[in-house]
Amino acid sequence: QVHLVQSGAEVKEPGASVKLSCKASGSTFISRYMHWVRQAPRQGLEWMGTINPTGGTTAYAQKFQGRVTMTWDTSTSTVYMDLSSLRSEDTAVYYCVMAIGYFDYWGQGTLVTVSS
Amino acid sequence: EIVLTQSPATLSLSPGERATLSCRASQSIESNLAWYQQKPGQAPRLLIYDASNWASGTPARFSGSGSGTDFTLTISSLEPEDFAVYYCQLRSNWPPGRYTFGQGTKLEIK
Repeated sequence: QVHLVQSGAEVKEPGASVKLSCKASGSTFISRYMHWVRQAPRQGLEWMGTINPTGGTTAYAQKFQGRVTMTWDTSTSTVYMDLSSLRSEDTAVYYCVMAIGYFDYWGQGTLVTVSS
Repeated sequence: EIVLTQSPATLSLSPGERATLSCRASQSIESNLAWYQQKPGQAPRLLIYDASNWASGTPARFSGSGSGTDFTLTISSLEPEDFAVYYCQLRSNWPPGRYTFGQGTKLEIK
């Protein structure tokens, strides 16, 4: 069984950056695509992008191009998501997701609050 | 860009009733569609994949149908734990594509 554990809540000022982590355990990490999805308060789900840990290939939603970077560390089975130039609209719960086919396994979510 | 439109936005039903949720794609996506359930304070849970296949642990009262542009999630007889928000999701083809979500349908107790 796959288990994804995300880093803790963050509070950031507008213009800052945030780097979230997601550690995978319980299954083969290599070759499973990892995604990041966010959910603003009382809003729907928004796909941000994906990384293939095997080769480091990434694909980002157009909305986040230039502001998001996804990386991985195979030695610790940890995926990272860096989001820069934060604004109030980035306040949301951020989920990491492991996709076997579709979005099969979800982390517990990390709340990022952007406020001055 | 393919857009998924879910309807209705809110569905008010009673336990024991049948629920029918719709998801429409702006262009054909074959059967590359999943359904997720999300309860308050929880991460979403995969219910149905490839339009009509049950994910592990999905109760048999849930069923998915459709292909092309029109998809349906049906809950044959609502249980109290089924009242939640449901999202459909497109899976585009590799190389890395897009995984658009619909805006969600809230299933609430009448």
